[in-house]
Parts: sequence; structure tokens; C-alpha cells
Amino acid sequence: DTEVTQTPKHLVMGMTNKKSLKCEQHMGHRAMYWYKQKAKKPPELMFVYSYEKLSINESVPSRFSPECPNSSLLNLHLHALQPEDSALYLCASSQDWGRAATNEKLFFGSGTQLSVL
Amino acid sequence: GDSVTQMEGPVTLSEEAFLTINCTYTATGYPSLFWYVQYPGEGLQLLLKATKADDKGSNKGFEATYRKETTSFHLEKGSVQVSDSAVYFCALRTPNFGNEKLTFGTGTRLTIIP
Repeated sequence: DTEVTQTPKHLVMGMTNKKSLKCEQHMGHRAMYWYKQKAKKPPELMFVYSYEKLSINESVPSRFSPECPNSSLLNLHLHALQPEDSALYLCASSQDWGRAATNEKLFFGSGTQLSVL
Repeated sequence: GDSVTQMEGPVTLSEEAFLTINCTYTATGYPSLFWYVQYPGEGLQLLLKATKADDKGSNKGFEATYRKETTSFHLEKGSVQVSDSAVYFCALRTPNFGNEKLTFGTGTRLTIIP
């Protein structure tokens, strides 16, 4: 199994809603990532988890709250989002993270297309 | 900081044409270089990579050579197909403590017409 599975594929939410994005991989990867991608732009890194611990937070607003319940799962909890948060949210994984892993490939999921009304 | 500069798109070619998408980079240390491809409605997939100077990455008829002297990693394919229509991202990672993340270029949208 070489897939990263993301659910849901599409999500529409109001600014007062609370929702969660889910990501799962069964490749035994120890690093998992959340990226945000606006239309016609490259992905922007939001968070990196390594061995289930948060390693990188790219100054993301607190209305985005990541969680890594175990080595296969990664969640992104959303609360009080703004319309400008509408984007494609991509999850990715790799075997490892850090200086020894810089030549590793990332495996990306297909993303959740989020619209905030 | 590290950065990647990619050829502006969109690029439109006829089927069987020769493709070049230019990519240059700025990085401290010795980066690994990547080309990722994003097909419509999907996430990114690794197309090819090179981890040291003069390495050539290749996959599905695409090639790119790591040129340290010109800090470039241009993507080429001899004969493109309609199925190659996608957005192509050049990217790098460096083993610099605290900056090991993947840095992407802006992406080049490629459309192949029959």
C-alpha cells in the first residue's frame, strides 16, 4: 500500500463551524505533513510531525489545530475559519524527517478542497 | 534563504513536441533536487529526483540533470503526450538544520494539444 488517503475530498463550512480533516497512511512512514495550496500556487508547508511529535509549525494561525493520534493518522481540526482559508489541503508522508532524510520523496494524498463561506 | 525559480507558464505544445521546463535554484549546502507533477484534481507525485551534482534523474521519458555549476535542474522530454498535461513543480531540500523542508518553485502549467 503506497497511498496517502485523505477524507473528505470536499468540505464546505461556515465561519462558526468546527470540522476536521483526516489523513491516513500505512507505509510505516514516521513523518507526516500538512500543506495548504491556493489555486495556481505551490503548496505551502503548515505542519510537520515526526514520530508523532510536532516538529514544525510554520506560524499557522491557531484556528488550525493539528493532531497525530498514532503513527498512521494525522488530523487537522478547523475552527472559526475565514473565507481566505479556502484552499486545497494536502497531507503527505515520508519515511523520515530531518537532515538525514533530505533526499527522500514525499507521498501526497489527493487533498481536501475546503470552501469557507 | 533557499529558493527555486521556475519558468513562467502556461506552456502549450503540440503532441510529440520537445519539452523543456527551466528550473534554477539558490541554496546553501548541497541540496537534493526534485520534480513533482500534479495532475488535475490530484495531489503531487514525485516524477524524478537527483541527489548530487551531475546525477541524472529520469522517469516516464522525462529527464533532468543536476548542474551545480549553473545551479539548474531543467526538465526535458523528447516527445510529449496529451497525458503529460499537468502542473510541474521543481523543488529542493537541503540538510541544513531547521530548514530541511521541501521548497517549491511556483509551478509550470503544461497543456499538450493533439
